[in-house]
Amino acid sequence: ETGVTQTPRHLVMGMTNKKSLKCEQHLGHNAMYWYKQSAKKPLELMFVYSLEERVENNSVPSRFSPECPNSSHLFLHLHTLQPEDSALYLCASSQALIRGRGTDTQYFGPGTRLTVL
Amino acid sequence: AQSVTQLDSHVSVSEGTPVLLRCNYSSSYSPSLFWYVQHPNKGLQLLLKYTSAATLVKGINGFEAEFKKSETSFHLTKPSAHMSDAAEYFCVVSPMVDQTGANNLFFGTGTRLTVIP
Repeated sequence: ETGVTQTPRHLVMGMTNKKSLKCEQHLGHNAMYWYKQSAKKPLELMFVYSLEERVENNSVPSRFSPECPNSSHLFLHLHTLQPEDSALYLCASSQALIRGRGTDTQYFGPGTRLTVL
Repeated sequence: AQSVTQLDSHVSVSEGTPVLLRCNYSSSYSPSLFWYVQHPNKGLQLLLKYTSAATLVKGINGFEAEFKKSETSFHLTKPSAHMSDAAEYFCVVSPMVDQTGANNLFFGTGTRLTVIP
């Protein structure tokens, strides 16, 4: 196990539903990430939280709303999604480092397979 | 700018024969480089990581990769393929962390490795 858990593992929802994805890390990290993995495309970084502050939002539609209540938990709230949002959503965590001092490894959860009907 | 090119979308080898998965990168900084593996319906698992120490990096499960700055390459190799190696492999480049302490990863499109009995 990687120390990063995600629930649920599978989710099917209609376009009018509201649901949330949950990620929890047990590694003592203080940076957390949401990625979207679609078929035939590179992983897309969606959101980054470092020290519980959102530091990255790569032009993600507002129908995706992240929440990071503490350094161990990360949520992705979903509402009025589109069929093209169907994908594997991966959560990752790492240790936030001082700028210029190098980079730390990101550890990934197993993902949530989302299907939007 | 950072980018990663995985030269083969699919590689097929016979069990017991060598594995070579190719990766070229582009980075404006001295990057860190990673290889991750993803088995079906699983999250990404770190295989190995290069961070400007030894250019030949050994990872888990008998994999290794060599950083060649002159060729901007970071190819993944294994002397003898095992059936359990069948998976998707991702080459990843990461520049130095930004001022927030979080590090952004740039993923290749992946190489699917098939191992033939």
